[in-house]
Amino acid sequence: AQKVTQAQTEISVVEKEDVTLDCVYETRDTTYYLFWYKQPPSGELVFLIRRNSFDEQNEISGRYSWNFQKSTSSFNFTITASQVVDSAVYFCALSEAWGAQKLVFGQGTRLTINP
Amino acid sequence: ETGVTQSPTHLIKTRGQQVTLRCSSQSGHNTVSWYQQALGQGPQFIFQYYREEENGRGNFPPRFSGLQFPNYSSELNVNALELDDSALYLCASSLETNRDNEQFFGPGTRLTVL
Repeated sequence: AQKVTQAQTEISVVEKEDVTLDCVYETRDTTYYLFWYKQPPSGELVFLIRRNSFDEQNEISGRYSWNFQKSTSSFNFTITASQVVDSAVYFCALSEAWGAQKLVFGQGTRLTINP
Repeated sequence: ETGVTQSPTHLIKTRGQQVTLRCSSQSGHNTVSWYQQALGQGPQFIFQYYREEENGRGNFPPRFSGLQFPNYSSELNVNALELDDSALYLCASSLETNRDNEQFFGPGTRLTVL
């Protein structure tokens, strides 16, 4: 069975600090996809990144970066120089490669950036 | 904005009633998925429709049912509502079921069962 664990329920930092959100996953599939979504108070899930299991390259997009390590089944997300607008709930998700496009989500991490 | 719309925004029902939630997918998208998100939890997959056929289902009882119409909009129906059905219901649309195609989420319908 697939499972995603986000051990950090809530994180609170002061603006401009760097923050890392942890994600650990479990799957028996050799081919799978990992995702990060942001959920602002409005409720809509906003797609941030997708990675397939064959691509372990880290990725940087502006202030966001992702560290994918298959050896530890982790897909961590770092925000550099955080801003108040980054405040939201962040979800890590896993999808098998075949069949329905089903996303298995973690419980989410509520990130609060204080001015 | 993702172009995915859901109606209604909020809904209050009583236990035992039936409810229908609606989702309009992004233009050209033929795949719609529904998720249930309880307060403080991550979304859970209910089912997916692809070209008007159910294409996979999560661990939800048969009283959760759905439809997809020829224009690819979709409905989620829940019969015999229970208190635990109170949640945010999200739909997501995508072009085909290819994992390289992003799923775009709507703003959700918040259902409260009293």
